Order: sequence, then structure tokens, then C-alpha cells
Amino acid sequence: DQQVKQNSPSLSVQEGRISILNCDYTNSMFDYFLWYKKYPAEGPTFLISISSIKDKNEDGRFTVFLNKSAKHLSLHIVPSQPGDSAVYFCAAALAGGTSYGKLTFGQGTILTVHP
Amino acid sequence: DTAVSQTPKYLVTQMGNDKSIKCEQNLGHDTMYWYKQDSKKFLKIMFSYNNKELIINETVPNRFSPKSPDKAHLNLHINSLELGDSAVYFCASSPGGLAQETQYFGPGTRLLVL
Repeated sequence: DQQVKQNSPSLSVQEGRISILNCDYTNSMFDYFLWYKKYPAEGPTFLISISSIKDKNEDGRFTVFLNKSAKHLSLHIVPSQPGDSAVYFCAAALAGGTSYGKLTFGQGTILTVHP
Repeated sequence: DTAVSQTPKYLVTQMGNDKSIKCEQNLGHDTMYWYKQDSKKFLKIMFSYNNKELIINETVPNRFSPKSPDKAHLNLHINSLELGDSAVYFCASSPGGLAQETQYFGPGTRLLVL
């Protein structure tokens, strides 16, 4: 029972265009969401996060949107650059103290940005 | 100077063997984690330790035993390895174990059981 799903295994985008990566979750108790980025042979690195009290969080070229009623979040990258080519993982958590940092990850989406 | 390091990076072994993976963090964090990335690419948490104390213990076979000699180290010992244990294992750390904190991951250990 996968509570966080990224239904697009891969996405190919032209440099300069927008990349939109999607993520769906089933557990309505999740109240904190994160995106991690992973290059080959490296561990995931934190990219951006959003609390459930917000519907948008922006950091430079990266914006995360949260639609709680649809249990859906998306990551927008504008403009996309070849260096953004990586695997992007969506993760969800319960922000309360008893979660002890437990993150539930999706299976990742491979983003390829073509020059 | 690597923040979270794992050894070995690659591990190829036979079924039935016992093996260990080591993890060290030099970030001064109190909390460390082990994740498994299976063939379907999901990253799933296995264990979490806070200041050498086991905090999270997911449904993991008891052939897997984590050991934290101090808060900078979290090792994973696997007994009687099975084919299904083949995966990439990631260690991570965070300052205090809150979900809102950034978790810093090691480069992963690729385990192949033959």
C-alpha cells in the first residue's frame, strides 16, 4: 500500500521550458511535504518543502503547489536547465513530534532536460 | 569533507552470508536513518535512531539489526542474506528527528545478493 505515488516514471523537457512533476498521496493525515532531487550514484538532496497550511511555496526557479482536497502536489521548475536532469522524489510526513522524522517517499520521476 | 558517508559503496555477496554496512555523519546531528530503495524505486524507511536510541522500527525482518555505537554512527548488520535483500541502502541524518528538518543522505550502498 503505497501512500505516496508519482505516476509518471519519466519526463522530458526542453531547456528553458517549464517542468511539472506530480505527486499524489492517499493519507489525509500527512501535513508536510518535501521534494528531494537525486543524481546518479549520489544520495537524495533536499530541494523544497511545503506545510499543509500553505498552498504554494517558492524558492528561486522551484515552486511547489499543494492541493489538499485533491491530495496532490506538484513541483514546477521554471526555466528548466540541463543541470536539473535528475530523479525527483516526492515525500510526505506527519509534522507532529511523534513522527520522528519518518518520511514516506514516492518512487521518483526521472527528469531529462534537453539543451 | 563528506557529511554522510557509507561503506562500502558496493557489496556483492552470496545468499546466506552475513554482512554489515557502516554509516557515519560529521554534521553533529542527533538522528540517523536507514532507508531501502527496492527494485520498484520506492525509498522506504527501515530504522531511525535518536542519540543512540531506536525510535523508528518499521516492519523489517529481524535479520536486519541496526547498531548505533554513538550518535555519529549507525551501522546495519544483515544476517542470512536473501535474494530479496538486493537493493540500494541509504543512510541519512537530521538535526533532531523532526519531519520538517532536512535529512542529509549518504551516497548509498548497492547490495547484490547472488
